[in-house]
Amino acid sequence: AQKVTQTQTSISVMEKTTVTMDCVYETQDSSYFLFWYKQTASGEIVFLIRQDSYKKENATVGHYSLNFQKPKSSIGLIITATQIEDSAVYFCAMRVSSGSWQLIFGSGTQLTVMP
Amino acid sequence: DMKVTQMPRYLIKRMGENVLLECGQDMSHETMYWYRQDPGLGLQLIYISYDVDSNSEGDIPKGYRVSRKKREHFSLILDSAKTNQTSVYFCASSLRTKEVFFGKGTRLTVV
Repeated sequence: AQKVTQTQTSISVMEKTTVTMDCVYETQDSSYFLFWYKQTASGEIVFLIRQDSYKKENATVGHYSLNFQKPKSSIGLIITATQIEDSAVYFCAMRVSSGSWQLIFGSGTQLTVMP
Repeated sequence: DMKVTQMPRYLIKRMGENVLLECGQDMSHETMYWYRQDPGLGLQLIYISYDVDSNSEGDIPKGYRVSRKKREHFSLILDSAKTNQTSVYFCASSLRTKEVFFGKGTRLTVV
């Protein structure tokens, strides 16, 4: 079975600091794809960044980067120089062929960035 | 500009009425999805479509049906809406192994 777990329900940080959000996944597939999404206060769900399981390099997009630890089945999201507008709910997700390529979501982490 | 468009954005219906939610995408994605999101329950997959007329049930298909006659268009139909179908509905699309792109959602209230 496939599963994605986010244990941090909420995190608060000061503006301009760095935050890491944790995510662990379970799958028996040898090849899989990991994603992070952000849901804003308006409800919009935005794709942020992706990591393919066969790639050793951690993905980076703007001030988002990933800490991919394959032996630990872990894919942490790192946001550097946080801004107030980064406040949102962050979802980790996975796609695997044995799951018919459906997007399997974690439960989300609420990030609050304080001035 | 690549996007997933949902119409309408807000809808109020009476119990027992039929509801049609429409979704379009301009990225030629073969896979499209319908999710609902309720407070505290996260995103739940209703239906997934792998291409035209190739639809599969997701985790909560009861009370819903879908139609996909063109690759760029995917509809969600509620026949005789119920109050427990009040929710926010998201349409999404993707290539098979790539990132999924979401529409802005439709807030449906059934009274």
